[in-house]
Amino acid sequence: EAGVAQSPRYKIIEKRQSVAFWCNPISGHATLYWYQQILGQGPKLLIQFQNNGVVDDSQLPKDRFSAERLKGVDSTLKIQPAKLEDSAVYLCASSLAHNEQFFGPGTRLTVL
Amino acid sequence: AQKVTQAQTEISVVEKEDVTLDCVYETRDTTYYLFWYKQPPSGELVFLIRRNSFDEQNEISGRYSWNFQKSTSSFNFTITASQVVDSAVYFCALSEVQGGKLIFGQGTELSVKP
Repeated sequence: EAGVAQSPRYKIIEKRQSVAFWCNPISGHATLYWYQQILGQGPKLLIQFQNNGVVDDSQLPKDRFSAERLKGVDSTLKIQPAKLEDSAVYLCASSLAHNEQFFGPGTRLTVL
Repeated sequence: AQKVTQAQTEISVVEKEDVTLDCVYETRDTTYYLFWYKQPPSGELVFLIRRNSFDEQNEISGRYSWNFQKSTSSFNFTITASQVVDSAVYFCALSEVQGGKLIFGQGTELSVKP
């Protein structure tokens, strides 16, 4: 079974630029999560989708971050404009209803 | 408020030693779920175990064992006869809703030296 796919793996941008990350969850997993992991810390949830609806986006900085999950499968997370403090690894995870979350390899973002 | 504390930032052991990683959590809910994940240098979080708050039985899986004690709000993880491949960052996490967001601790970096 294929795991959670994410791209790109690495991205370097300058502050105030825009960036987008893509996630393809495990086939059949209705729930999709985006986490932000700053160096030396545990991951923190940004947004949770159930199919194509948002379940929890309470910690998403909505002035600069946006996410969508069209057709309830793939998802895109966007940052516009990026700030230095957005440098982190962005992890995507998926799960069957009520089960453990499986994580992708992450996208490491560096904002200069 | 929900919180997970992993007081040990870094642990270094020699191969074949036993090592215990501590995890203390805070929650006001009576129903909750506890997890351990492993993050090797490649960066991908690997699921190790999930326990619900009603199941306090300790669990053993090969060289791994987990001790869940509700009375002290702890969910500790022991690796017996550690190996170099166990070197990674280990995260304890809490979820108050089945299938809901995970609240992670800061992680413990385990280094197993040959």
